[in-house]
Amino acid sequence: AQTVTQSQPEMSVQEAETVTLSCTYDTSESDYYLFWYKQPPSRQMILVIRQEAYKQQNATENRFSVNFQKAAKSFSLKISDSQLGDAAMYFCACGTLWGDMRFGAGTRLTVKP
Amino acid sequence: GAVVSQHPSRVICKSGTSVKIECRSLDFQATTMFWYRQFPKKSLMLMATSNEGSKATYEQGVEKDKFLINHASLTLSTLTVTSAHPEDSSFYICSARGWGMGETQYFGPGTRLLVL
Repeated sequence: AQTVTQSQPEMSVQEAETVTLSCTYDTSESDYYLFWYKQPPSRQMILVIRQEAYKQQNATENRFSVNFQKAAKSFSLKISDSQLGDAAMYFCACGTLWGDMRFGAGTRLTVKP
Repeated sequence: GAVVSQHPSRVICKSGTSVKIECRSLDFQATTMFWYRQFPKKSLMLMATSNEGSKATYEQGVEKDKFLINHASLTLSTLTVTSAHPEDSSFYICSARGWGMGETQYFGPGTRLLVL
């Protein structure tokens, strides 16, 4: 099974600034997918961004982008122009074609006004 | 699109009773559904994977007889916690994925279970 490590339990960013959340993973699968999910206080898991491992180009979704370093098994999330609504727990996840997905321990992001 | 609902959102029950949690994909057919458990301030732990019409595959350490999973249709999966005990109290989350949706899982809002 995959393992996912998020080494930053908590991060803080000033509103309108940029923050990067770190994630490393390990898997024996050749085909896999990487995800960042956001969990606000409502506890609803919301997909932020996804990356297919076979794609070299880093995924972007508006203010969210990733830095995918396949050889290093690193998958960091950059949030630009941070907004108060970005405050949440962020989980990095690695999933296989079969669907089993493993999550990191999470990073709690605080956005300061 | 890709909306998943769960019912109930929270439930309180007495020790020894059974509780059923429903997970529905509202606007797509879910070929595979997943059940997770999340302890307070912790990450999600995969409990089992279920494909429509077949038996669920449980993760190591998850008791099959304790957590009964049924995926009877392409839009509904149920998790039944049998003979619930206080240690089963937790936040249970389901997710689903469907044809043509890639490998992305879409999550339900979760069910908070408290066993007294």
